[in-house]
Amino acid sequence: GENVEQHPSTLSVQEGDSAVIKCTYSDSASNYFPWYKQELGKRPQLIIDIRSNVGEKKDQRIAVTLNKTAKHFSLHITETQPEDSAVYFCAASIEPDSWGKFQFGAGTQVVVTP
Amino acid sequence: DAGITQSPRYKITETGRQVTLMCHQTWSHSYMFWYRQDLGHGLRLIYYSAAADITDKGEVPDGYVVSRSKTENFPLTLESATRSQTSVYFCASSELERQGTYGYTFGSGTRLTVV
Repeated sequence: GENVEQHPSTLSVQEGDSAVIKCTYSDSASNYFPWYKQELGKRPQLIIDIRSNVGEKKDQRIAVTLNKTAKHFSLHITETQPEDSAVYFCAASIEPDSWGKFQFGAGTQVVVTP
Repeated sequence: DAGITQSPRYKITETGRQVTLMCHQTWSHSYMFWYRQDLGHGLRLIYYSAAADITDKGEVPDGYVVSRSKTENFPLTLESATRSQTSVYFCASSELERQGTYGYTFGSGTRLTVV
């Protein structure tokens, strides 16, 4: 089955700097890659996603890139702010056959220091 | 997102007891999922359901039972709780839509402690 590895496990950045989180996946059939943000004690919430027919997607300060050949995708946060502090999870799935059956990475704890 | 609710929010139970975690959604989503979250493991899929009366195992189903007699409810039962089942449990629901938003939403979670 699919295996998703996420690095780093913790990331400390100064406010205003950029943060990058990388994930690799094993199943070349995976074609949907969401990213979730989870604040302490809260539910995971979708922040951005990308499908395999797209190489990059941006939403304000957040961007995701996908390299299908290398089977990895990355989350980029620019101009980080204290409210970006949270745990971020990447995930992969095969749609529509295995819709919603996400394989999650282990998570990255991001700490933004003022 | 009040459309998906989990109960209870916190639960302490003893080893060997049966416990049921409830999940209710008001969107009439076809798909529902149960995940457990443990430090260092992210979220792992326990069971999922594509529609009422259709359920299937996920990555870590041992020790759990689910049912889905109604579209809106997807209870998760631990038949005989073990300490290794101490975790935070998240329910989620979704609808397979066209290209665009998928409405995949998690509930607020249930923190279960087995003593």
